[in-house]
Amino acid sequence: QKEVEQNSGPLSVPEGAIASLNCTYSDRVSQSFFWYRQYSGKSPELIMSIYSNGDKEDGRFTAQLNKASQYVSLLIRDSQPSDSATYLCAPNSGGGADGLTFGKGTHLIIQP
Amino acid sequence: GAGVSQSPRYKVAKRGQDVALRCDPISGHVSLFWYQQALGQGPEFLTYFQNEAQLDKSGLPSDRFFAERPEGSVSTLKIQRTQQEDSAVYLCASSRGQGVKNIQYFGAGTRLSVL
Repeated sequence: QKEVEQNSGPLSVPEGAIASLNCTYSDRVSQSFFWYRQYSGKSPELIMSIYSNGDKEDGRFTAQLNKASQYVSLLIRDSQPSDSATYLCAPNSGGGADGLTFGKGTHLIIQP
Repeated sequence: GAGVSQSPRYKVAKRGQDVALRCDPISGHVSLFWYQQALGQGPEFLTYFQNEAQLDKSGLPSDRFFAERPEGSVSTLKIQRTQQEDSAVYLCASSRGQGVKNIQYFGAGTRLSVL
């Protein structure tokens, strides 16, 4: 059984601060990792993908991956109220199916 | 099309009724996925198509759920004899190719309410 654990929150962060979102996963063969953002009542949209250990930066977003610890995180710098959403972590171990296993998501609130 | 299109956006069904949910993927996308998202939860995988072949249906919760993609493009998820526990948002996603690095793009979803 593949499991993905995220703190459901809500995580409250002041505007302009760094928001740190964490995710652990159980399937050791996971090869790729995706962070999706989902606004209330909307569909998930991809914001970051990461495949190798280390950091990957894209604008205000940085994804960090540690496969040995089975841990992936997302940092949001200079947080804006528009970043308020639920962030879903999704590892992909493939195996032919390619279906994603999502965590429950972390509800992030950026306080103006 | 510009994105993944799903219809209807909202569906209200009486318990025991059959429903059909449609997904029109991004043009040229080989892979198509169906997910079920209950309130306050992350999406849960239901089934996966590569072109017209259904390669994985391990996530379908019961034999009341059936999906097809006969021409390798539009897909339909059918739920027979709906139950209250089927109430959820049904999300469709498509990706250009296959493999673990392929990005999945989601449609807006169909919100199903079973009364």
